[in-house]
Amino acid sequence: QKEVEQDPGPLSVPEGAIVSLNCTYSNSAFQYFMWYRQYSRKGPELLMYTYSSGNKEDGRFTAQVDKSSKYISLFIRDSQPSDSATYLCAMSAGGGNKLTFGTGTQLKVEL
Amino acid sequence: DAGITQSPRHKVTETGTPVTLRCHQTENHRYMYWYRQDPGHGLRLIHYSYGVKDTDKGEVSDGYSVSRSKTEDFLLTLESATSSQTSVYFCAIKRDRLNTEAFFGQGTRLTVV
Repeated sequence: QKEVEQDPGPLSVPEGAIVSLNCTYSNSAFQYFMWYRQYSRKGPELLMYTYSSGNKEDGRFTAQVDKSSKYISLFIRDSQPSDSATYLCAMSAGGGNKLTFGTGTQLKVEL
Repeated sequence: DAGITQSPRHKVTETGTPVTLRCHQTENHRYMYWYRQDPGHGLRLIHYSYGVKDTDKGEVSDGYSVSRSKTEDFLLTLESATSSQTSVYFCAIKRDRLNTEAFFGQGTRLTVV
């Protein structure tokens, strides 16, 4: 069993929809939770970072962490075609080196 | 991109040949990483460096070696390439251990035939 599970999709939504992306994990030591966005043939770029449990909002993006359920989510409001990308969750037990990534969810926002 | 250049961007090589991938940064960040990305596996850490001449293994280090003789350069070497090492390789940098944001390069697409 992988430490981090993420539905690979693809997920297709109409423009303007609210998108929910999720990851589950098994390692209770994870404290730092990140979401990366990766466009086709590009490197991942950090979207959101959350420490421990709770919510964090940045523009159209909201990250949620529920450590009791070992479940994290990324919500995208008013989705745009430019949001079409693969979204990777990543976690670490400390602020240190080892990031454990999910396999990524491919999102397509259609006009 | 945050001052990270990977070279080459694409390479096709034959089984059994040595291959070296280069990551060059202009940010003077201390930490540098090599990941590989494969369908169904996501990003997996190969090796990382926490300073000049200071390196350590990641979760998929077998068949790979690294060197860092200067702050700005981190080299990944496949001593004898195998088809299982066909992948997209990403370099990443991080300012320090506690800083959470890792900046990624554009990737190197390696095919071993």
